[in-house]
Amino acid sequence: DQQVKQNSPSLSVQEGRISILNCDYTNSMFDYFLWYKKYPAEGPTFLISISSIKDKNEDGRFTVFLNKSAKHLSLHIVPSQPGDSAVYFCAASARQGAQKLVFGQGTRLTINP
Amino acid sequence: DVKVTQSSRYLVKRTGEKVFLECVQDMDHENMFWYRQDPGLGLRLIYFSYDVKMKEKGDIPEGYSVSREKKERFSLILESASTNQTSMYLCASLKSGANVLTFGAGSRLTVL
Repeated sequence: DQQVKQNSPSLSVQEGRISILNCDYTNSMFDYFLWYKKYPAEGPTFLISISSIKDKNEDGRFTVFLNKSAKHLSLHIVPSQPGDSAVYFCAASARQGAQKLVFGQGTRLTINP
Repeated sequence: DVKVTQSSRYLVKRTGEKVFLECVQDMDHENMFWYRQDPGLGLRLIYFSYDVKMKEKGDIPEGYSVSREKKERFSLILESASTNQTSMYLCASLKSGANVLTFGAGSRLTVL
């Protein structure tokens, strides 16, 4: 029972273009969402988060959008750079600061020069 | 500047062996976690601990146990390793009330 789903295992984008990574969730109790980025042979690192009281959060080239009615969030990277090539995990929790996070399966993003 | 350290990056064990995976954090975080990462399945929580000697089961605790005798150290134990426990194991820590997990670099375990 996958409560957080990333339906695209991989995504390939040209350098300079926009990368859009998608995430769907089923548990209506989730109200805090995070994106993590993982390079090979390293642990995941935090990228950006959003609370359910917002529908958008921006940090430099990274923007996360939340559509609560659709139980969908997306991560936009503009412009995409080769260093953005990594696996991206979406995660959700029932409240901000909750100990338990539920992660999606991950999407491998490849930025082509 | 390493904050969560997993001492074994790569291990190869035989079926039935007892395996210890060690994790140490230097940030004085109350909460520590063990996840496993498998292709197509993402990160799944095995166990977590919110205080010394306290532990709670995550989503996939079967076949695993944990130990937290000191605040900075959280150990994952495979009593009798099996081939389906071949995976990448990730340790993480979290300050109570905070939102962001800090992960270690991972321990890749292969069980033959």
